[in-house]
Amino acid sequence: QSALTQPASVSGSPGQSITISCTGTRSDVGTYNYVSWYQQHPGKAPKLIIYDVNKRPSGVSIRFSGSKSGNTASLTISGLQAEDEADYYCSSYTASSTVVFGGGAKVTVL
Amino acid sequence: QVTLKESGPVLVKPTETLTLTCTVSGFSLSDARVAVSWIRQPPGKALEWLAHIFSNDAKLYSTSLKSRLTISKDTSKSQVVLSMTNMDPVDTATYYCARMLIDGNGYNYWAFDYWGQGTLVTVSS
Repeated sequence: QSALTQPASVSGSPGQSITISCTGTRSDVGTYNYVSWYQQHPGKAPKLIIYDVNKRPSGVSIRFSGSKSGNTASLTISGLQAEDEADYYCSSYTASSTVVFGGGAKVTVL
Repeated sequence: QVTLKESGPVLVKPTETLTLTCTVSGFSLSDARVAVSWIRQPPGKALEWLAHIFSNDAKLYSTSLKSRLTISKDTSKSQVVLSMTNMDPVDTATYYCARMLIDGNGYNYWAFDYWGQGTLVTVSS
């Protein structure tokens, strides 16, 4: 199972919106809505910020939103803040009954 | 309060078998709406899902690592154990255990809502 494809880095200025893409195949993202996104700060465990393509766990800022079209899922961060600087990973359930993660995208707040 | 904590050796030699334990609290491994995974992350690299165990003892494994992995649980001790055979330096990573997000109706979202702090395992002679 190949990893989902994410851009290595995305950057934006405070207050701007950025979007991180996550491209899979018909065997994962394209067929299932079990797409999740995680935020990971250096030295910390990942934190779930989006599940089921566009649902936010309790306590997660409404500035984070998710969507999907075809084989590509996207995470949008609105009103970018300094604290959003972190690594972001997408994941998906697969037709093999496994879970696959993306390669990760580093978000830099300029 | 839901917590997960990994424990095990910090250093293993090539060809040895790694055994990691995840001790959970705040929920029961016998609950039908509970499942726990192991996920690893080599230094500076991406997350990689390894294995998963459900409350009914059903197990799932990474296709590429299936031959080397064994996941099990001891409900009475609230522990999930992962064994990985024939360790190699490329297996050096932080190993996390994480709980699967399953709602009150038993719907599995295949997402991980609670994570342990992770344990760094180095493979070196």
